Amino acid sequence: KAGVTQTPRYLIKTRGQQVTLSCSPISGHRSVSWYQQTPGQGLQFLFEYFSETQRNKGNFPGRFSGRQFSNSRSEMNVSTLELGDSALYLCASSLETSYNEQFFGPGTRLTVL
Amino acid sequence: LAKTTQPISMDSYEGQEVNITCSHNNIATNDYITWYQQFPSQGPRFIIQGYKTKVTNEVASLFIPADRKSSTLSLPRVSLSDTAVYYCLVGAFRGSARQLTFGSGTQLTVLP
Repeated sequence: KAGVTQTPRYLIKTRGQQVTLSCSPISGHRSVSWYQQTPGQGLQFLFEYFSETQRNKGNFPGRFSGRQFSNSRSEMNVSTLELGDSALYLCASSLETSYNEQFFGPGTRLTVL
Repeated sequence: LAKTTQPISMDSYEGQEVNITCSHNNIATNDYITWYQQFPSQGPRFIIQGYKTKVTNEVASLFIPADRKSSTLSLPRVSLSDTAVYYCLVGAFRGSARQLTFGSGTQLTVLP
């Protein structure tokens, strides 16, 4: 089985722009979660999607949003980028819920200048 | 909301057993405790998950005391390739929403 894939792997944006990141889960996995990883804050939960619905959400501002498609692929969007949004964004998929074993993708490295 | 605390770093020698403890004082009664391993430039990888007492798989053991306010990941006979950052992950409900909280991570360095 192919693993979780994320595109793009690297991205450079400037403040005020918006960005969309994509995640393709493992085939058959219906839950997709997103995380932000930074040296200062570590790994932080953004949100979880299941059956095209946001099931859980972390403590991030409304600039961070996401969606899931009928094939379980997911996208996350960050609007009005700030310097502090520079981070590694990780996507993880699991069979039914993030309670299950999660399989992480390699991440998208976002740099905001 | 569960707050998790781990040691920042640990050193060990090849062949030794390593125990990494995570404290999660506010864990809810229905939370699982999950441990992940992360190498540089990679996403975390699942190691083990448990709810209470002891769980063992082919790579690690997880010990959870009765009060479930902490957990200990045990790696038997570590090798150089076990050098990585180890994270505990706990979920907790805020109202009807479940939030996941990672510990700050423990950098394990295995020395020859």
